[in-house]
Amino acid sequence: GEDVEQSLFLSVREGDSSVINCTYTDSSSTYLYWYKQEPGAGLQLLTYIFSNMDMKQDQRLTVLLNKKDKHLSLRIADTQTGDSAIYFCAETRATNKLIFGTGTLLAVQP
Amino acid sequence: ETGVTQTPRHLVMGMTNKKSLKCEQHLGHNAMYWYKQSAKKPLELMFVYSLEERVENNSVPSRFSPECPNSSHLFLHLHTLQPEDSALYLCASSQLVGGAETQYFGPGTRLLVL
Repeated sequence: GEDVEQSLFLSVREGDSSVINCTYTDSSSTYLYWYKQEPGAGLQLLTYIFSNMDMKQDQRLTVLLNKKDKHLSLRIADTQTGDSAIYFCAETRATNKLIFGTGTLLAVQP
Repeated sequence: ETGVTQTPRHLVMGMTNKKSLKCEQHLGHNAMYWYKQSAKKPLELMFVYSLEERVENNSVPSRFSPECPNSSHLFLHLHTLQPEDSALYLCASSQLVGGAETQYFGPGTRLLVL
């Protein structure tokens, strides 16, 4: 299909790990991205991964890429209440063209 | 601070009004974008300007009219909008470097059309 798919909602307890999943569509996408959107705000770039990598770690964030299955995941270690937000994955469909997923709302319970 | 600013942050307008949204990027990028974010829908790309020329126009109604006077500024002119145009309008900018084209977003303008 044409859509980049994400589960709509994830709830975790503070201190646990969160894993947000994404299935993208274009196997030729060169870069894949994770953005965070806090309430009432724009999108904030969190991290991105080049398609020839299968893992990238950046402090509490770990991105895993499975090109065969076109599956991307974002793991947040030691999740904090400040991590509560909507998380969007995005793929590069063409130059100047990012296609975004529907977003996953992460709720962190204290 | 992302280096992309948008004004106004909130806007309420009637269907007969004319208003403009403004976006400014301070990152030295060469491409700018307008997106529409509606509830329960994926982010929709509306317009793309690369090197100040419009390179994409995704079947957006003519009541939305973009303008890019230079590489740092982008406007979205609005006239005779409909209530279904109520949404968060996000501006972004990017620079194509070695194949990577990371887009940086502004905070958005929350638009309500009455």
